[in-house]
This record gives sequence, C-alpha cells and structure tokens, in this order.
Amino acid sequence: DSGVTQTPKHLITATGQRVTLRCSPRSGDLSVYWYQQSLDQGLQFLIQYYNGEERAKGNILERFSAQQFPDLHSELNLSSLELGDSALYFCASSVTGTGNTEAFFGQGTRLTVV
Amino acid sequence: GNSVTQMEGPVTLSEEAFLTINCTYTATGYPSLFWYVQYPGEGLQLLLKATKADDKGSNKGFEATYRKETTSFHLEKGSVQVSDSAVYFCALSPPGGSEKLVFGKGTKLTVNP
Repeated sequence: DSGVTQTPKHLITATGQRVTLRCSPRSGDLSVYWYQQSLDQGLQFLIQYYNGEERAKGNILERFSAQQFPDLHSELNLSSLELGDSALYFCASSVTGTGNTEAFFGQGTRLTVV
Repeated sequence: GNSVTQMEGPVTLSEEAFLTINCTYTATGYPSLFWYVQYPGEGLQLLLKATKADDKGSNKGFEATYRKETTSFHLEKGSVQVSDSAVYFCALSPPGGSEKLVFGKGTKLTVNP
C-alpha cells in the first residue's frame, strides 16, 4: 500500500459527460501529480500541484482541469469526454516538489468512455 | 526535449534466467533516472533510482547503472523469479528541480516456472 488513495477505482460514462477523479496523497506529502496511462500514448504527465499551487503542466487538454485543496487532496476534472479519453489515470504524491524524492503512486482510476 | 526509449517486449523468461531490459534516454543536462514496476492491478512502485553519472541503483536483486557516455540505464537481474512478472518502466526526471517523470512505454515481463 503506497498510502495514496484514488477514488473511484472504475468509472464508466458516456461521451460528452464530465467526471471528477479524486486523490488523497500520503500523509505529509505536499506535491501531487496526475498521469494518464493509455495503450497508445503510454504514461503521460498531466499536471503537478505543490501545496495548493500549480507547479508544472504537461500534456493536459484544455477540457481537463485540476486543483489541490487546503487539505492537500486533489481532484482532476475531465469534461466533454471523448472515446479517446478512456485510460487509466494515476495520481502520485511526494514530500517535495523539487529534487529527487520518490513519488508514490495510487492504484489508479480506470475511466471508460462509451 | 526529454524522452525515454526502452525495449517494448513482451519478454518471456524461465525462472532463474538472466534479465536485461534496455533503456536509453535523451535529455538536456543530467536527469535523475528511475525504474518503476507495475504489478497487475496495481499502481507503479519505485524499484530503483540513480541521480548522477556512474551511480548504480539496486533493489530486490535488480540493478541499473547510470551511463552518461551511452545515455543508458539498463535494468538487470541475475536470476528472475515468477514473482518478478510485471511491467517495468524506465523514467527520467528532468534537471532543473521538477519531479515530473518522463516514462518509457514499458516492458512486460513474464517469468514461467
């Protein structure tokens, strides 16, 4: 158990809909990362938050947004969903947002868009 | 830009065989290098890491050496077990302070008894 909790584990929704994925980082970790894992693109970094502030942005679509709350949990919002958004979405957390500290990954949310 | 290329597999070995999974990278400056492992139905776990040239990361019998001259970080294990069956990802963390990881596409390893 990594200590990172993601909910829900599975999500099935229709095209055009909006969903929210939730992540609770390990106790004491200030930094949260979101990654998308798909068969064709592999693991892609989406966005990073550190102590409530956006720290880095990767290949995140404009239809996607995220935030980190004062209690440090994070949510990833996906809107106007398309079939191609079907993927496994991972959250990871680490103590700091810089340097080489280890990132701990949750078990992921599997999103299926039908 | 930063990128990681690893042999995609799948790789199938018999128990106690020698394992090598090749990984090369492209990066400006000197990144940190990682191997992550993903067991079925689970998230990624850090297997080992190296933060500077010639460092050797090791864990659970796995090893990888940071080779600056060949921009490589190949994963090796002398004797694999059935329990090593998983997907292995090579990754780098770009220099400059961010911890965002750039991953290779993953190599699926199956070890048969």
